[in-house]
Amino acid sequence: KAGVTQTPRYLIKTRGQQVTLSCSPISGHRSVSWYQQTPGQGLQFLFEYFSETQRNKGNFPGRFSGRQFSNSRSEMNVSTLELGDSALYLCASSLSVGSTLETQYFGPGTRLLVL
Amino acid sequence: GDSVTQMEGPVTLSEEAFLTINCTYTATGYPSLFWYVQYPGEGLQLLLKATKADDKGSNKGFEATYRKETTSFHLEKGSVQVSDSAVYFCALSDQGYSTLTFGKGTMLLVSP
Repeated sequence: KAGVTQTPRYLIKTRGQQVTLSCSPISGHRSVSWYQQTPGQGLQFLFEYFSETQRNKGNFPGRFSGRQFSNSRSEMNVSTLELGDSALYLCASSLSVGSTLETQYFGPGTRLLVL
Repeated sequence: GDSVTQMEGPVTLSEEAFLTINCTYTATGYPSLFWYVQYPGEGLQLLLKATKADDKGSNKGFEATYRKETTSFHLEKGSVQVSDSAVYFCALSDQGYSTLTFGKGTMLLVSP
């Protein structure tokens, strides 16, 4: 079974631009979560989607948004990019939500560099 | 709020040495506990997990036991290999969410 895929793998943008990242979950998985990884802050939760609805949200500004499509694929968007948005953005999928018994499986990430 | 504390790295070991990476947690409910591993330039891979007290998770020679009394989930391996060099993350999910709270990560460097 194919794993979580993320596109693109690498991105370079300039301050003020916006960016869209894409994630395809493992087949049959209906939940997608996004995390930001930086050297300073480590891994931080952005948001979680299930059945096209945002179920949980981390402590990030409104410039960060996401959505999920009917086929469970997800996109996240960052508007008005800042230098501090440079990070590895990781997508994870799981079968469902609402249980601590669920296991999240991660993709390889998209590395975003903001100049 | 929930939090995970891991020992600072890097941890430097020779091949075949014994490994321990300490992890303690603070949680409101009854969390599930996880260890993930990240190899250079890659995403996170699930290494092992435990969902209730006294459970032992194990995989690829790594083990960790869920200790509720000490709120700990220490990772151990009896004999490390060079290929184990990576960053290891302890994480938990709590309060009915599958969302993960991560520790800062511990880098392991194994030399031949």
